[in-house]
Amino acid sequence: SAVISQKPSRDICQRGTSLTIQCQVDSQVTMMFWYRQQPGQSLTLIATANQGSEATYESGFVIDKFPISRPNLTFSTLTVSNMSPEDSSIYLCSLRIVETQYFGPGTRLLVL
Amino acid sequence: QKEVEQNSGPLSVPEGAIASLNCTYSDRGSQSFFWYRQYSGKSPELIMFIYSNGDKEDGRFTAQLNKASQYVSLLIRDSQPSDSATYLCAVGTGNQFYFGTGTSLTVIP
Repeated sequence: SAVISQKPSRDICQRGTSLTIQCQVDSQVTMMFWYRQQPGQSLTLIATANQGSEATYESGFVIDKFPISRPNLTFSTLTVSNMSPEDSSIYLCSLRIVETQYFGPGTRLLVL
Repeated sequence: QKEVEQNSGPLSVPEGAIASLNCTYSDRGSQSFFWYRQYSGKSPELIMFIYSNGDKEDGRFTAQLNKASQYVSLLIRDSQPSDSATYLCAVGTGNQFYFGTGTSLTVIP
């Protein structure tokens, strides 16, 4: 496995603002993933972030709302833009090693 | 139809009993199957994975896979209060991972 860290661990934000979540991995990985887990729900994939290319977004998620950066093989950011209360969720950075998905500790976001 | 389905529970078992968690999936081409444990307020933690039909045991945990029935289960023997959590079933199909909504397990002391 790998050690995955995320910052911030939690935040409370005002409607209309943006928050950037950082994900750091202790080893180089080609593909990193961003998931969302809304209250009482399972995990939903937002996008796949490959180093050196544009992120690939899943249906229902767009780059303008969730811009992603992937400047190198150990780091990625996800920005939640123009937030609304519906964006209140846990956001999880993830990576895949030998067909197994591993998750960071998550960022708990509350939008007021 | 959802890709992965689980009973949401809650499932309650007494301490020391066997907890049985079930999961069905829709894509017969799925190749890999995983169980994650998620404590309240925490991120999912991998417990077990299984690729082949049959049983796979790891300590108190046993994963069972039946591809013909498109069914995967997790048995927890000698359940402990610390096993109380939500258990997520995940299925790998090609490059995609699909998660169930999770089953909430409570082990009663």
